[in-house]
Amino acid sequence: DVKVTQSSRYLVKRTGEKVFLECVQDMDHENMFWYRQDPGLGLRLIYFSYDVKMKEKGDIPEGYSVSREKKERFSLILESASTNQTSMYLCASRMTSGGTTGELFFGEGSRLTVL
Amino acid sequence: AQKITQTQPGMFVQEKEAVTLDCTYDTSDQSYGLFWYKQPSSGEMIFLIYQGSYDEQNATEGRYSLNFQKARKSANLVISASQLGDSAMYFCAMRVLGDDMRFGAGTRLTVKP
Repeated sequence: DVKVTQSSRYLVKRTGEKVFLECVQDMDHENMFWYRQDPGLGLRLIYFSYDVKMKEKGDIPEGYSVSREKKERFSLILESASTNQTSMYLCASRMTSGGTTGELFFGEGSRLTVL
Repeated sequence: AQKITQTQPGMFVQEKEAVTLDCTYDTSDQSYGLFWYKQPSSGEMIFLIYQGSYDEQNATEGRYSLNFQKARKSANLVISASQLGDSAMYFCAMRVLGDDMRFGAGTRLTVKP
């Protein structure tokens, strides 16, 4: 069974802390994504990566960075967490698809609370 | 930039009845793909159905069908014979050539016994 695993389901951090959200997929997928989900706003794309060591900004990259050192792992980093980054974070992956097809496979989400 | 609009924050349906969840999109691209995902309370997003912009037939997957009206830029999800397990958030999404998946705000569906 295909799997996208996010390291933590629930995290509580303090303002100013550095936060790492880890995502691992076992499907040998080229593409990986980080989304943020907030009520009434749906999912918003933070960063994505089409291959190892590559990264592209999504719609809301401010305050975030990412790392993709290995194909199976895509990390989201909050350099200095702020309360407005309290949210649900969803990681997804996809086999290479240069067209308009290719569904995303999602992890179970990481709910981050910043106090 | 493309935009996805889901105007129904919440919907109710009686068990065994059909329900339509609305989705409209805005893009100037001719080549695009439309997706629907389900998110149960457990949080994981589940892919339901896909429609390509050049597909002439409406997509169907079991009890799910996508009512694709290209001229109106709408891609409504129809769930037939609703079940209690269909209660969840539903998201419409679009991908255009050269860009990646964008999602609507979602619709929360509640199936009543």
